Amino acid sequence: QKEVEQNSGPLSVPEGAIASLNCTYSDRVSQSFFWYRQYSGKSPELIMSIYSNGDKEDGRFTAQLNKASQYVSLLIRDSQPSDSATYLCAVRNFGNEKLTFGTGTRLTIIP
Amino acid sequence: ETGVTQSPTHLIKTRGQQVTLRCSSQSGHNTVSWYQQALGQGPQFIFQYYREEENGRGNFPPRFSGLQFPNYSSELNVNALELDDSALYLCASSMGGVGNQPQHFGDGTRLSIL
Repeated sequence: QKEVEQNSGPLSVPEGAIASLNCTYSDRVSQSFFWYRQYSGKSPELIMSIYSNGDKEDGRFTAQLNKASQYVSLLIRDSQPSDSATYLCAVRNFGNEKLTFGTGTRLTIIP
Repeated sequence: ETGVTQSPTHLIKTRGQQVTLRCSSQSGHNTVSWYQQALGQGPQFIFQYYREEENGRGNFPPRFSGLQFPNYSSELNVNALELDDSALYLCASSMGGVGNQPQHFGDGTRLSIL
């Protein structure tokens, strides 16, 4: 079982709709969770971090964490063509500074 | 505030050669982590430096080595290059020792091995 799993996609969403990206992780001691956006040929850009159960909203982005189910998700409201990118889920365990990444989900927003 | 900068942007080497990649951390950050990202994959943790000491290492062979300088900039050295070392090498900086601080990435160095 991979430590961090994401559906590789591609996920196609109409412009203006809600894009939902999912991530599961295997280690129950995982403490911190991050979503990065990566455009083709570019480096990952941090868009959301979440550390406790529940929802965290930032503009059009909402991160959701459920530690009991070992599940973290990212919702993008009012999707724009500029949101088309690969979204990487990353997990950090307690007492360890390294990030463990999933393989990423490729999102395409269709105008 | 200056972000994370990496050099060079692109590099082409041949098998068996050695390479040094450089990273300047974001202002105020004392921790640098290096990752390797192969095409179509997520970044894989190589190692991390905190206040000039190695602070964790991933599943990479000893020919991958690094160091961190007093100004918190860092180098990644790879010896005896192999074809599979072709990848995007990412440096990320953060403020270690103060709880849940996110890592911010530089633009990366794309290394091609011929």
